[in-house]
Amino acid sequence: KQEVTQIPAALSVPEGENLVLNCSFTDSAIYNLQWFRQDPGKGLTSLLLIQSSQREQTSGRLNASLDKSSGRSTLYIAASQPGDSATYLCAVKGSYKLSFGAGTTVTVRA
Amino acid sequence: NAGVTQTPKFQVLKTGQSMTLQCAQDMNHNSMYWYRQDPGMGLRLIYYSASEGTTDKGEVPNGYNVSRLNKREFSLRLESAAPSQTSVYFCASSADLGLSSYNEQFFGPGTRLTVL
Repeated sequence: KQEVTQIPAALSVPEGENLVLNCSFTDSAIYNLQWFRQDPGKGLTSLLLIQSSQREQTSGRLNASLDKSSGRSTLYIAASQPGDSATYLCAVKGSYKLSFGAGTTVTVRA
Repeated sequence: NAGVTQTPKFQVLKTGQSMTLQCAQDMNHNSMYWYRQDPGMGLRLIYYSASEGTTDKGEVPNGYNVSRLNKREFSLRLESAAPSQTSVYFCASSADLGLSSYNEQFFGPGTRLTVL
């Protein structure tokens, strides 16, 4: 059974600092990995999808890396802003479903 | 283009009551999913539908039933609600269930259900 872990569970940084969010998974036989953002009381917004054959994916200030062999992904958010405050979830795709981590809740202090 | 929509947004039930959560997508996706999200846990798959006319159990199907009404709509029914079913329910869809490395799931805004 795929287990997805996100550490730390919560993170607080001053505005302007770079954010580093970690995701680890136990089964490397994945098809892709998605990073989502969730605002309080809201649904999930897809940020980045990394295909299993890719090492990284970039979108604006966001960069996600994937190391399948070691079962790790890292989401980097450059020059954080208060608007980046949210919970970030990673999910890995197996044969038919996504397996989710519990998320990292980020607070960016102005 | 609304994406994935869910109704209702909020619901309070008493133990033993029944209700149906509705989900619809307008992206012409074949596959649809129901997840629940509980504090401190990741989303867990309840049921999924690979394509119109098919449904399958996920990780936590007990106490739930589903109906894939047509290609657009996928409903989740609680026949006899229990306090353990208090949760946030999310519907999602994707182009297909295929073993594609680019098979992104899109999520609805969620239904917040409380069972007293």
